[in-house]
Amino acid sequence: GAVVSQHPSRVICKSGTSVKIECRSLDFQATTMFWYRQFPKQSLMLMATSNEGSKATYEQGVEKDKFLINHASLTLSTLTVTSAHPEDSSFYICSARGPTTGRDPEAFFGQGTRLTVV
Amino acid sequence: AQSVTQLDSQVPVFEEAPVELRCNYSSSVSVYLFWYVQYPNQGLQLLLKYLSGSTLVESINGFEAEFNKSQTSFHLRKPSVHISDTAEYFCAVEGGTSYGKLTFGQGTILTVHP
Repeated sequence: GAVVSQHPSRVICKSGTSVKIECRSLDFQATTMFWYRQFPKQSLMLMATSNEGSKATYEQGVEKDKFLINHASLTLSTLTVTSAHPEDSSFYICSARGPTTGRDPEAFFGQGTRLTVV
Repeated sequence: AQSVTQLDSQVPVFEEAPVELRCNYSSSVSVYLFWYVQYPNQGLQLLLKYLSGSTLVESINGFEAEFNKSQTSFHLRKPSVHISDTAEYFCAVEGGTSYGKLTFGQGTILTVHP
């Protein structure tokens, strides 16, 4: 399968600072990327969908000004958690899928980022 | 909207025993169904998927899942587990016009004991 690389895998930051998480598709062009969040003992919840070159679409309840998503190229999407607070501590994971010529909907996931805000 | 329920949060089994991880979903439209596996400190890997056709789908490492539309289920089974199968398993659904968006279940931690 295709490879999606997410960086960093772990990050600890101070409350009030911003953190950027990168998601790269290494061997295919990712026209669409998805960002999920997983709190302890909970499932993954979709935060937003981004299409290359356009603004991200956020799910209900996700603050777009707090979670900035940029998808400026076909191989890179970034999620910036601005003014992070301890309640933002979570596991963030991206997925990417390429151009859809068929109906195979497989999306490839990154390794995830464990964010801890202290 | 879709929802997914994984009925067991943890499933402990002994090596070489059979296992079933249960998954039920609800949706008002046709769905595609997936099982993902997450090993410790790693990302999600697709285990198997149901798109259409045969309701029984298999993975390369011995897992299988059967799509049961009447019971809205997509249970994951393996007749004989290995220690290396220890991981967290997520059932997910994509439905209708939610193209590419996955709704996940809560996850089931499978622990295989020697």
